[in-house]
Amino acid sequence: NAGVTQTPKFRILKIGQSMTLQCAQDMNHNYMYWYRQDPGMGLKLIYYSVGAGITDKGEVPNGYNVSRSTTEDFPLRLELAAPSQTSVYFCASSYSTSGSGANVLTFGAGSRLTVL
Amino acid sequence: GQNIDQPTEMTATEGAIVQINCTYQTSGFNGLFWYQQHAGEAPTFLSYNVLDGLEEKGRFSSFLSRSKGYSYLLLKELQMKDSASYLCAVRDSNYQLIWGAGTKLIIKP
Repeated sequence: NAGVTQTPKFRILKIGQSMTLQCAQDMNHNYMYWYRQDPGMGLKLIYYSVGAGITDKGEVPNGYNVSRSTTEDFPLRLELAAPSQTSVYFCASSYSTSGSGANVLTFGAGSRLTVL
Repeated sequence: GQNIDQPTEMTATEGAIVQINCTYQTSGFNGLFWYQQHAGEAPTFLSYNVLDGLEEKGRFSSFLSRSKGYSYLLLKELQMKDSASYLCAVRDSNYQLIWGAGTKLIIKP
């Protein structure tokens, strides 16, 4: 049981380049998320998805795009990379968000992106 | 706005007890979470509080007071492997998680 798998782990981009961060989960979770983590800041939600075919913006969506064609996969696309997108990106998944129960997030190992 | 405050860094001694505080101001409340994050790794779930009081799980306990907008994570019998960042997160009225910046805990022998 792999959990949440993210690739690549590290990437250096030049300003203006584009790339896709891949994320896959094998836990049959409905909800998937992309966060970025910057030094001294809390995790910031970029985009999330409540199921295949449904995506929504989080707190910091500008400069990013996502798609959710299957339950398992939730890639994050960076178009026209900028130095401000230098960060560590985490993909996460959960069974649900609502209800009284704990909605524990399972995180991928992270992708460290540098834009020069 | 929504805000979660926790100390930036704390230092404690191996074998001792440490309390990491978290205060929050959010639009609604649907639970508070603590996650542990070792350097260079992903956050992993530690505890969840939705009602006032103390939740104990082995060496770790978490306390919540909703009226005060306050929680703490208590770590007992500290071990070197507890050196990590501890993230406090609150689920707001829209069931979105609002994250604190994390508290880096340094354990000294």
